[in-house]
Amino acid sequence: GAGVSQSPRYKVAKRGQDVALRCDPISGHVSLFWYQQALGQGPEFLTYFQNEAQLDKSGLPSDRFFAERPEGSVSTLKIQRTQQEDSAVYLCASSQGFSGNTIYFGEGSWLTVV
Amino acid sequence: KNEVEQSPQNLTAQEGEFITINCSYSVGISALHWLQQHPGGGIVSLFMLSSGKKKHGRLIATINIQEKHSSLHITASHPRDSAVYICAVGNRDDKIIFGKGTRLHILP
Repeated sequence: GAGVSQSPRYKVAKRGQDVALRCDPISGHVSLFWYQQALGQGPEFLTYFQNEAQLDKSGLPSDRFFAERPEGSVSTLKIQRTQQEDSAVYLCASSQGFSGNTIYFGEGSWLTVV
Repeated sequence: KNEVEQSPQNLTAQEGEFITINCSYSVGISALHWLQQHPGGGIVSLFMLSSGKKKHGRLIATINIQEKHSSLHITASHPRDSAVYICAVGNRDDKIIFGKGTRLHILP
């Protein structure tokens, strides 16, 4: 596609429910990033892939959060047993190579846990 | 201490004013990004810098590698410039680290 695509755009989950958020990066982009953005805050790093390799997952807030990119293109961020504090916008970004390239963001997946 | 610090956190100015947003970082970087986020909207990349200065329309971005500092300037500001401006750095491990953003509000 022309840009980074995320789905769903909006998700309301009941506390305790599992959710899966999908990111389709720009075709051919090697690097893929996931960020969490709480209301009124800047994005916080969650995890980073180069192709299918998850090089850094230090930002994942708990073991309820899991991300994968099995074929080096589409990525899924999974949150198990959602809690209210998980409510945020989850942003996906991709870039052609390394950090010296322009990064392109998706529109985000807005998660509300009730 | 955050690895990327922005100032000010919030800025309100009158239409037409010259705007400066600052970014300081403490890590070695390969590139610095300035990003714009409108309320409820996605993030778009304004500039990517590794040295010197770049200009695009009324926007100017500069970086001083020795001082680990970058500035984003907006000339002849307009209400449509109201947004959150985010500084992000790509470190030598290829991770992008974000500042907390500067919320800019331009009054007509």
